[in-house]
Amino acid sequence: NAGVTQTPKFRVLKTGQSMTLLCAQDMNHEYMYWYRQDPGMGLRLIHYSVGEGTTAKGEVPDGYNVSRLKKQNFLLGLESAAPSQTSVYFCASSLWGGPDTQYFGPGTRLTVL
Amino acid sequence: AQKVTQAQTEISVVEKEDVTLDCVYETRDTTYYLFWYKQPPSGELVFLIRRNSFDEQNEISGRYSWNFQKSTSSFNFTITASQVVDSAVYFCALSVNNAGNMLTFGGGTRLMVKP
Repeated sequence: NAGVTQTPKFRVLKTGQSMTLLCAQDMNHEYMYWYRQDPGMGLRLIHYSVGEGTTAKGEVPDGYNVSRLKKQNFLLGLESAAPSQTSVYFCASSLWGGPDTQYFGPGTRLTVL
Repeated sequence: AQKVTQAQTEISVVEKEDVTLDCVYETRDTTYYLFWYKQPPSGELVFLIRRNSFDEQNEISGRYSWNFQKSTSSFNFTITASQVVDSAVYFCALSVNNAGNMLTFGGGTRLMVKP
């Protein structure tokens, strides 16, 4: 039982490049989330999903897109990376909303030059 | 809107000292949940505790204890007899029963325990 996994662990992009971060969970959780962590600001929610095929905007959604084609996977896309998107990205999942405990992946450190 | 404030950005203690991490929250909802997470130097976020707004009982788990006071909107975390392995960033977070279970995090408190 791996819990929540994220791919890749590290990535360096040039401004304007695109990439996709993959999150996978094996706990059969309905809800999944993408957060970013910046120094001194805690974690902020980018997008979330309340079930397969659904997505919704969080606190800081601009510049990101997401997809939840399969229940166990939640993808975060950057279409045209900007230096302001340099951050550590965390994926999380919870069995339900309402609010259930969220379990986090190990994080992806992204640097945009 | 929800808000969580962790006024202590960094705390340094010597091993075996007790230390309290403060958390103050703001919400207009009457039903909400409070969380503490630990982020060790390895970077992952580890769930420590969840408490709902209707349960003001303090909780103790080994060397960890939590003090929830609705009157002051605080959910403080105390580590007794701190150890070097307690060195980490600790986050307090708040969730209300809407908006897709979004967690609102405080800025975190970096705890350094020196031997």
